[in-house]
Amino acid sequence: EIVLTQSPPTLSLSPGARATLSCRASQDIGLFLAWYQQKPGQAPRLLIYGASNRATGIPARFSGSGSGTDFTLTISSLEPEDFAVYYCHQRTNWPPWTFGQGTKVDFK
Amino acid sequence: QLVGSGGRSGRPGRSLRLSCEASGFKFGDYDMSWVRQAPGKGLEWLAHINPSGHDTHYADSVKGRFTISRDNANNSLFLEMNSLRVEDTAVYFCARERYYFRSGAYYYDSWAQGTLVTVSS
Repeated sequence: EIVLTQSPPTLSLSPGARATLSCRASQDIGLFLAWYQQKPGQAPRLLIYGASNRATGIPARFSGSGSGTDFTLTISSLEPEDFAVYYCHQRTNWPPWTFGQGTKVDFK
Repeated sequence: QLVGSGGRSGRPGRSLRLSCEASGFKFGDYDMSWVRQAPGKGLEWLAHINPSGHDTHYADSVKGRFTISRDNANNSLFLEMNSLRVEDTAVYFCARERYYFRSGAYYYDSWAQGTLVTVSS
């Protein structure tokens, strides 16, 4: 099973700040990585797929990078609606497909 | 749109069936999955089914106890949950898988609102 380790567990920032979230895979997953955003009481929402492609309707302030085992989600300038939990997810060809444990972005 | 239902409270060892009703898209064209989230915890993929329903995959934590199935004629996805355990307590989401040609892989582009299953003695 591929383990995804996210860091940090919590990121305390102010609106307008830059957020950098990390996801490390236990083995090479190429570009088969997505990022999801989840707000309290809501289902997750796809932000980034294929490591660096923004999903439909996702603002340009969200960007993804990386390949192999190290990936990054960057939010260039935090808006109030961006304070949420973010999960990385690997979708290689074979199951089990796994999620990271999440990074919570909260108000400083 | 996806609407999940069927979640409720039950005793360990009991069975439960979750449903997910799809609308607004051609359900029979899409792979589907169930994902759960224990209280205060992260996301866990549980089961996947291909469009025809003939190919399924399960996480080890539910293999042999849970069964994913679908009824394309009625735009519905199901999760039959047997031998429930306390650790199965979670919000269960059904999710549509979309194939993104640009990345050559499937990702969850639409989710239901989640249905709560509580297992306790």
